[in-house]
Amino acid sequence: AQSVSQHNHHVILSEAASLELGCNYSYGGTVNLFWYVQYPGQHLQLLLKYFSGDPLVKGIKGFEAEFIKSKFSFNLRKPSVQWSDTAEYFCAVNALYGGGYQKVTFGIGTKLQVIP
Amino acid sequence: EAQVTQNPRYLITVTGKKLTVTCSQNMNHEYMSWYRQDPGLGLRQIYYSMNVEVTDKGDVPEGYKVSRKEKRNFPLILESPSPNQTSLYFCASSLSAGSGNTIYFGEGSWLTVV
Repeated sequence: AQSVSQHNHHVILSEAASLELGCNYSYGGTVNLFWYVQYPGQHLQLLLKYFSGDPLVKGIKGFEAEFIKSKFSFNLRKPSVQWSDTAEYFCAVNALYGGGYQKVTFGIGTKLQVIP
Repeated sequence: EAQVTQNPRYLITVTGKKLTVTCSQNMNHEYMSWYRQDPGLGLRQIYYSMNVEVTDKGDVPEGYKVSRKEKRNFPLILESPSPNQTSLYFCASSLSAGSGNTIYFGEGSWLTVV
């Protein structure tokens, strides 16, 4: 079974600092990869996703992520965070098995706190 | 507007009193699923459905039931709720369990079992 690891559970940054949140997964086959954001009191919203093509994907609000297949990683980055980026971030992996079976697994989330 | 709608959004109930959390999507999605979110555990899948009348267990199905009689609806049933089912529940849907399909989430249902 696949698993997803998010290394940083709680990150505190000052505004304008650069952000990188780690995500590693364990599955040797084909995957689709997602980053979701959950603002306080709200539901999860898609930030960006990768399913094929250019491994560097750009999402909303200046976020980007790079899929490195050899490292089983899909780290999220933003050059300069803002106070409004304070939220919880979830990495998710959709592992594609044979026969059309697929399974989505989420990481435990990283809470980002941006200090003005 | 494309959306996933859950009801109720907030509920406090007593141990053993059956309850149902409804979920409806208006995007003609085939795939629907339920997750629970708990601090330090992230989102864990309870049940999922690939299409009408096709449901299967996720990672934490104990204590829950689901049904998928219509494409748009996927209710979550707690036959005899217990305090360890106190959690934040999310319903989600996607076009299919297919490559690259975005998962859309409902706004969440806060359930407290006392």
